Amino acid sequence: GAGVSQSPSNKVTEKGKDVELRCDPISGHTALYWYRQSLGQGLEFLIYFQGNSAPDKSGLPSDRFSAERTGGSVSTLTIQRTQQEDSAVYLCASSPQTGGSSYEQYFGPGTRLTVT
Amino acid sequence: GNSVTQMEGPVTLSEEAFLTINCTYTATGYPSLFWYVQYPGEGLQLLLKATKADDKGSNKGFEATYRKETTSFHLEKGSVQVSDSAVYFCALSRSQGGSEKLVFGKGTKLTVNP
Repeated sequence: GAGVSQSPSNKVTEKGKDVELRCDPISGHTALYWYRQSLGQGLEFLIYFQGNSAPDKSGLPSDRFSAERTGGSVSTLTIQRTQQEDSAVYLCASSPQTGGSSYEQYFGPGTRLTVT
Repeated sequence: GNSVTQMEGPVTLSEEAFLTINCTYTATGYPSLFWYVQYPGEGLQLLLKATKADDKGSNKGFEATYRKETTSFHLEKGSVQVSDSAVYFCALSRSQGGSEKLVFGKGTKLTVNP
């Protein structure tokens, strides 16, 4: 079946512009995670969704970052007034359930964001 | 807080050599431990996992044992192949409020030469 998809695969934007990154999780997966992969910071957690709600936003680096999820499916990560330090690969992952059983997280191919 | 420390690379080996990538963790409670792999041009994928002390995860000839006494989860493979060339990430998760967010190490790049 289809895996996690993300779009666009690459995005180049000018400093100060807003960007939207999209994630389509595996159908039926209730949990959705956003991570960021950068040379300096490695792989960092950003936000977790269970259904449409986000009980854990602890990884969002500033209030310029926000995310939503609709219909328990597609999620959009929005970065306002982009800065050069926002340049990174943004990864989305989905998982069939949550809880203590440590279900596997399935990762998308990522969106490479470059802020010039 | 929770953290993962893994050996820095890059690691370069010849085919059929023995591989060890060290990973230690700091966490409260009883985390689950993972190795993820990122092949060139591909996304992250789970290689193996262990959810409790003394569990051994294994896949594709790779193994790692959850050692609570040394807070370690070292990755090993007896005979590497060129196709194992990739970046390997050690990670932990600890269920909190339903979230099982992953905390990753910095990654270790492995190159296997024929």
